Amino acid sequence: GEEVAQTPKHLVRGEGQKAKLYCAPIKGHSYVFWYQQVLKNEFKFLISFQNENVFDETGMPKERFSAKCLPNSPCSLEIQATKLEDSAVYFCASSQSRTGGESGYTFGSGTRLTVV
Amino acid sequence: EDQVTQSPEALRLQEGESSSLNCSYTVSGLRGLFWYRQDPGKGPEFLFTLYSAGEEKEKERLKATLTKKESFLHITAPKPEDSATYLCAVQAEIGGNNRLAFGKGNQVVVIP
Repeated sequence: GEEVAQTPKHLVRGEGQKAKLYCAPIKGHSYVFWYQQVLKNEFKFLISFQNENVFDETGMPKERFSAKCLPNSPCSLEIQATKLEDSAVYFCASSQSRTGGESGYTFGSGTRLTVV
Repeated sequence: EDQVTQSPEALRLQEGESSSLNCSYTVSGLRGLFWYRQDPGKGPEFLFTLYSAGEEKEKERLKATLTKKESFLHITAPKPEDSATYLCAVQAEIGGNNRLAFGKGNQVVVIP
């Protein structure tokens, strides 16, 4: 399809529980990026993939966060033991080109994670 | 570290009242500057990519311009449906691995 599909739309977890978010990029897009939007419009880069290979993971809190993009499966972002500060909207974006190009990066509608 | 500052933070406009949004940036070599529109509860929607100083791009009532230090998004004769948060993001040429550094956005409300 022509949209980036993120599921679920909303996720509520108790502190310490696991959370798993999914992203199906647009077919044919080789690059996938994850961003975290906290508070008022503050986007933080987490990780990027080129196909199933991690391209840049410098934004990931590695002790609790992990991500995968496997062939023929949606990409996933997993938080092992959630903390209150993980409450945010998580966006996935995909692109045909590494730099985004004239079409930019296409974002999904996000998953709102609430940790209570 | 790449920095993006957008002003004003919030703007209320009467329908038809043209205005400009500012995005000032500091980056280690600019690969691209992106403008996105975000509606409440939705993901950012791509508007423009600008690459070099002097470049301009237009789409309906929106026009984006770029200098070496800032970008402007001009909204001409806005309509209520132009109400949204407009996000500016930069992509560094060196060391950024293509990730975007976002500003905090310009929240625009257009009153009928």
